[in-house]
Amino acid sequence: QKEVEQNSGPLSVPEGAIASLNCTYSDRVSQSFFWYRQYSGKSPELIMSIYSNGDKEDGRFTAQLNKASQYVSLLIRDSQPSDSATYLCAVWSAGGFKTIFGAGTRLFVKA
Amino acid sequence: EAQVTQNPRYLITVTGKKLTVTCSQNMNHEYMSWYRQDPGLGLRQIYYSMNVEVTDKGDVPEGYKVSRKEKRNFPLILESPSPNQTSLYFCASSWGTGDDTQYFGPGTRLTVL
Repeated sequence: QKEVEQNSGPLSVPEGAIASLNCTYSDRVSQSFFWYRQYSGKSPELIMSIYSNGDKEDGRFTAQLNKASQYVSLLIRDSQPSDSATYLCAVWSAGGFKTIFGAGTRLFVKA
Repeated sequence: EAQVTQNPRYLITVTGKKLTVTCSQNMNHEYMSWYRQDPGLGLRQIYYSMNVEVTDKGDVPEGYKVSRKEKRNFPLILESPSPNQTSLYFCASSWGTGDDTQYFGPGTRLTVL
């Protein structure tokens, strides 16, 4: 079982719709959770971080964390073509002092 | 401008020829890390460093070496590259022990023939 799992996609949504990206992780003691966006040919950049159960909102982005279910998600409201990218879920565990990345979900927003 | 730089950006080499990929950050970050990115596998950590002279293995350290003699620099060394090390490599840095936002360099695309 992979430590951080994401649906590879591609996920295709029309412009203006809500895109929902999901991630599950296996290490129960994981403490910090991140969503990175990576455009084709570019390096990853942080979109959201979340550390406690519940929702965290930043503009059009909402991260949701459920530690009991070992599940973290990213919602993108009013999706724009510029949101088309690969979204990487990352989980940090104090046990290993390292961040584990999922393989990423490709998102296409159709104009 | 706060940034992480890597050099070279592109490199084609042959099996067995030693190479070094440099990484430098100007943000006074303590934590630095090297990742490789392969299709379908995502980012996998090669080595990380929590401070000067403190380094440790990540998930895929075989065939790689690192050093951290200065806080700003964290070079990745391939003593004897092999074709299975053909990949896209990213250096990253962050303030703390890694449980913080990581800032990535632009990437180095390495091809080993």
